[in-house]
Amino acid sequence: DAKTTQPTSMDCAEGRAANLPCNHSTISGNEYVYWYRQIHSQGPQYIIHGLKNNETNEMASLIITEDRKSSTLILPHATLRDTAVYYCIVMYTGANSKLTFGKGITLSVRP
Amino acid sequence: DSGVTQTPKHLITATGQRVTLRCSPRSGDLSVYWYQQSLDQGLQFLIQYYNGEERAKGNILERFSAQQFPDLHSELNLSSLELGDSALYFCASSPRPNSGNTIYFGEGSWLTVV
Repeated sequence: DAKTTQPTSMDCAEGRAANLPCNHSTISGNEYVYWYRQIHSQGPQYIIHGLKNNETNEMASLIITEDRKSSTLILPHATLRDTAVYYCIVMYTGANSKLTFGKGITLSVRP
Repeated sequence: DSGVTQTPKHLITATGQRVTLRCSPRSGDLSVYWYQQSLDQGLQFLIQYYNGEERAKGNILERFSAQQFPDLHSELNLSSLELGDSALYFCASSPRPNSGNTIYFGEGSWLTVV
C-alpha cells in the first residue's frame, strides 16, 4: 500500500473549516484514499473515501488533486466534538486489501 | 453505532492466562479484520478473514489465533498473556475484501493484563 504523509497536528477555531492535508505521492491507479478518525480511544470512525473524483458526504468533503498525489479532508464547520486523530490511508483494490494506519494528524478544535 | 459489536468491552486478566474476544460483524458483511492498539504502537493490523477463510495476516503473534465461524462472527484468542499484550483490540468488518468498500470498526475490547 502507498505510504501517506500527514502533519503531526493542527488546530482550528470552532465554526471554521478545518482543512487536513495528506500527501500520497506514490499512490497507484487502483488505490483509494480513505479518511478515518479516532476520538479518544473509541473505535476508528469512517469519514469518507475516494478514488479520483472529489467526494462529499454529510460529514466532510474529500478533495483529491488531479495527479492524485495529495488530498485534503475538509470539515466545513468544525465543532469541539471534531477534536480527534485523523488518519489518511491509501488502500489498493484486491482480495487481501486492508487499512494500514499511520500516526495520523491530531486536530484540536478550539472554542 | 457502526453495527460491529465487540464483547467484552473490558477485561482484566493475569499473565499466563488465555482470553477470547468476540466480534459480530455488520449484517451482511463477510469480511472481518482484527487490529491491536497499544499506547506505543498505534493501530496494528493483526489478521483478516473472509467468509470463514483467512485472507491476510499482519503482526499477529503465534500466541494469538483467530477464526471466523459459519455465522460470520469471529473470535480472537490470546493465550499465555504477557503484560505487553495489554491493549485495545478492535474488530472491523466490510462486505468483502475490496478497497472500494467501507470498513467499519467496533468500539473495541480493552484488555488489561496484570
